Amino acid sequence: AQSVTQPDIHITVSEGASLELRCNYSYGATPYLFWYVQSPGQGLQLLLKYFSGDTLVQGIKGFEAEFKRSQSSFNLRKPSVHWSDAAEYFCAVGAQGGYNKLIFGAGTRLAVHP
Amino acid sequence: ETGVTQTPRHLVMGMTNKKSLKCEQHLGHNAMYWYKQSAKKPLELMFVYSLEERVENNSVPSRFSPECPNSSHLFLHLHTLQPEDSALYLCASSGGGSKNIQYFGAGTRLSVL
Repeated sequence: AQSVTQPDIHITVSEGASLELRCNYSYGATPYLFWYVQSPGQGLQLLLKYFSGDTLVQGIKGFEAEFKRSQSSFNLRKPSVHWSDAAEYFCAVGAQGGYNKLIFGAGTRLAVHP
Repeated sequence: ETGVTQTPRHLVMGMTNKKSLKCEQHLGHNAMYWYKQSAKKPLELMFVYSLEERVENNSVPSRFSPECPNSSHLFLHLHTLQPEDSALYLCASSGGGSKNIQYFGAGTRLSVL
């Protein structure tokens, strides 16, 4: 069965520090992978996506993620975190088919200390 | 503005009330989705409509009744809800096809008393 695991429920970093949020997936074929961000009281905004090709993908707001097939991972990174990055981050895997069905992880809540 | 608008943003209802959530997308998409987001739980896909036809219903109780009158509008009709139905209900739309991105609305925060 398809699943997504985000091992870290909460992460706290200092402003300016680097960030890595972990995501592991279980999927039988080549996955479509996504990272979304949710600010309080808001819906989900797409940060970046991987469909095929270059395994290092760039997204908005200075985020990037690397697809590692051997590790079934799609970790999100940012070299220098800003206070405005405090939010909840969701990794998702898309099932191939007639429409874009997404399986989401439980999310990682990021807090940023000044 | 994400192109997906949900109304109302907040809703408080009693267990015997009937209410409806509305979602409208201005993106020309042909697939629409309802998700339930509860505290400390992953997003739960409830319903999917593709080309105005329901293509997925994830064992959602019948007290939730979706309606998709056209490709731009999606409703979730609520009737005799339970307190555990209190959650953030998110609507999304996509262009159809597995490589199309889902765009989300801001959600309706529902409280059932």
